[in-house]
Amino acid sequence: NAGVTQTPKFQVLKTGQSMTLQCAQDMNHNSMYWYRQDPGMGLRLIYYSASEGTTDKGEVPNGYNVSRLNKREFSLRLESAAPSQTSVYFCASTTRTNYGYTFGSGTRLTVV
Amino acid sequence: GQQVMQIPQYQHVQEGEDFTTYCNSSTTLSNIQWYKQRPGGHPVFLIQLVKSGEVKKQKRLTFQFGEAKKNSSLHITATQTTDVGTYFCAGPRTISNFGNEKLTFGTGTRLTIIP
Repeated sequence: NAGVTQTPKFQVLKTGQSMTLQCAQDMNHNSMYWYRQDPGMGLRLIYYSASEGTTDKGEVPNGYNVSRLNKREFSLRLESAAPSQTSVYFCASTTRTNYGYTFGSGTRLTVV
Repeated sequence: GQQVMQIPQYQHVQEGEDFTTYCNSSTTLSNIQWYKQRPGGHPVFLIQLVKSGEVKKQKRLTFQFGEAKKNSSLHITATQTTDVGTYFCAGPRTISNFGNEKLTFGTGTRLTIIP
């Protein structure tokens, strides 16, 4: 099915561990995004990639890094996980002509 | 920076009653989008409004964009249990001629239905 695929769906990390969240879209979209969602705070932008080969910081980039591997894939890395990074992470994509974002199903991350 | 506020944060309605959520931006928006997120799910794009004063309908849902392009509303007529979820508005962080490079999401309104 066409859309945005995120892996893993669930993850528990210990403080200080690292991990990479994977995101891939098969809609030939130019722009991709990583958001985190915390209760009562809506969706906050972590990083985005307006097009292949470019990335930029969003509202809450500290503690994260990203890689736009190619047009399809945009990964989010936590180098040293902290309990404050416990959240639900969503990847999204869009084209310049199709304005609505398509979201993946999310990764629920718990850092203990 | 740009802020997008939504009220109310929560709304509980009897099935069959109407529901409205309001979205206010601290800056003028080139457009506004609305999304729905079911419990445990991911946000799903509903609609985009672009023109000042624009009104669009999707069955029982009516979306409005304010004349000053700083506020918007979503009204649901005769709610059903399938309407349960959180409704988010979102506006572009910067005005872009090439589309929405970055969206700022409102805090959302969680709708629950009492059968």
